[in-house]
Amino acid sequence: EAGVAQSPRYKIIEKRQSVAFWCNPISGHATLYWYQQILGQGPKLLIQFQNNGVVDDSQLPKDRFSAERLKGVDSTLKIQPAKLEDSAVYLCASSVGWEIPVNTEAFFGQGTRLTVV
Amino acid sequence: SQQGEEDPQALSIQEGENATMNCSYKTSINNLQWYRQNSGRGLVHLILIRSNEREKHSGRLRVTLDTSKKSSSLLITASRAADTASYFCATDPYSSASKIIFGSGTRLSIRP
Repeated sequence: EAGVAQSPRYKIIEKRQSVAFWCNPISGHATLYWYQQILGQGPKLLIQFQNNGVVDDSQLPKDRFSAERLKGVDSTLKIQPAKLEDSAVYLCASSVGWEIPVNTEAFFGQGTRLTVV
Repeated sequence: SQQGEEDPQALSIQEGENATMNCSYKTSINNLQWYRQNSGRGLVHLILIRSNEREKHSGRLRVTLDTSKKSSSLLITASRAADTASYFCATDPYSSASKIIFGSGTRLSIRP
């Protein structure tokens, strides 16, 4: 089966510019996650969707970050305006869903490496 | 905020030796997972252990879970050069909606 697709793979922008990342999860996966991974650290959960509804966005900097999940399938994550500290890898993951909470194996995309200069 | 903390932060061993990594977490969980991340690539799921399980095996991997101590360990036996990667534990906190919270990771290097 096809994996989680993300684009672009790399992006370099200047601070105060805006950027958007796209994610296509595995077909049939109800839960979609966006993570931010700063170099040398573990992934930090930004937002979690269940179908097209937000389950958790407690760590999303809502003054500059936004995310949506179109029709419960694809998702976009946007940063506007970007800051230097937003430089990181943005990872998208999907899992079957919370109906089976003990089987929350997540499948990750390759990520988008963002550099803000 | 990070739920789990891995120990050690970095580990270097000789090929063929066993590697043990530990994870401690803060709150009750539904399950705990271990992931591997090769340099510059996405994370790959290795194994999931449920809160009512104490030990699980998958190939050369052995995972233990002690919920009373809120800790887990990952043992990789007979290590290979291809095992060089960062390893993360991730917890699904109890009463969460299948949230997956990662620790800080252990960087494992296998010397030939």
